[in-house]
Amino acid sequence: GQQLNQSPQSMFIQEGEDVSMNCTSSSIFNTWLWYKQDPGEGPVLLIALYKAGELTSNGRLTAQFGITRKDSFLNISASIPSDVGIYFCAGNTGTASKLTFGTGTRLQVTL
Amino acid sequence: DTEVTQTPKHLVMGMTNKKSLKCEQHMGHRAMYWYKQKAKKPPELMFVYSYEKLSINESVPSRFSPECPNSSLLNLHLHALQPEDSALYLCASSRDALGRGTEAFFGQGTRLTVV
Repeated sequence: GQQLNQSPQSMFIQEGEDVSMNCTSSSIFNTWLWYKQDPGEGPVLLIALYKAGELTSNGRLTAQFGITRKDSFLNISASIPSDVGIYFCAGNTGTASKLTFGTGTRLQVTL
Repeated sequence: DTEVTQTPKHLVMGMTNKKSLKCEQHMGHRAMYWYKQKAKKPPELMFVYSYEKLSINESVPSRFSPECPNSSLLNLHLHALQPEDSALYLCASSRDALGRGTEAFFGQGTRLTVV
């Protein structure tokens, strides 16, 4: 089946630093979604992207839909302790109503 | 309102028990989903309902039986589960089928433990 490779697998950063993570696929996607998940909770939608090249912001978060439609990027600026969690990218190819999830990036923020 | 509500939040069941997980949304969404998530892994799709009809079954064992009584409700009936079925079960919904400019919203999950 399809796989989304997400990197890095984990990050340990200091409060105030900027964070970048990305997701790549061997297939073309027409929708990219970024989620954050806290332990024992469901994923919370952060940003949705629908067009190649699209750049969308949500507060300190910015995500981009790659031009090749095979990748997406998420940046977090000026990280704070509540940014701790697991970030998942998810994509849809448009051929079926299902999301393929990335492997996740675990973010730890130290004071 | 982007709320998907799942009950119960936690469930412990024996291998001979029958139990049900419930999911509810009042956003008028016409697609609903069940996902299974093991620890430190991404969610894996189990079932998709579109306009109250089962459209995708990802080869899920028959001990998991989904049901969509109406456009707002989604159930997952459990019977004769195995300990390896212990996981976080997530419900999600979307306004329309994914791939049509829509996004999926998830509930808080049901933590299932099979003993």
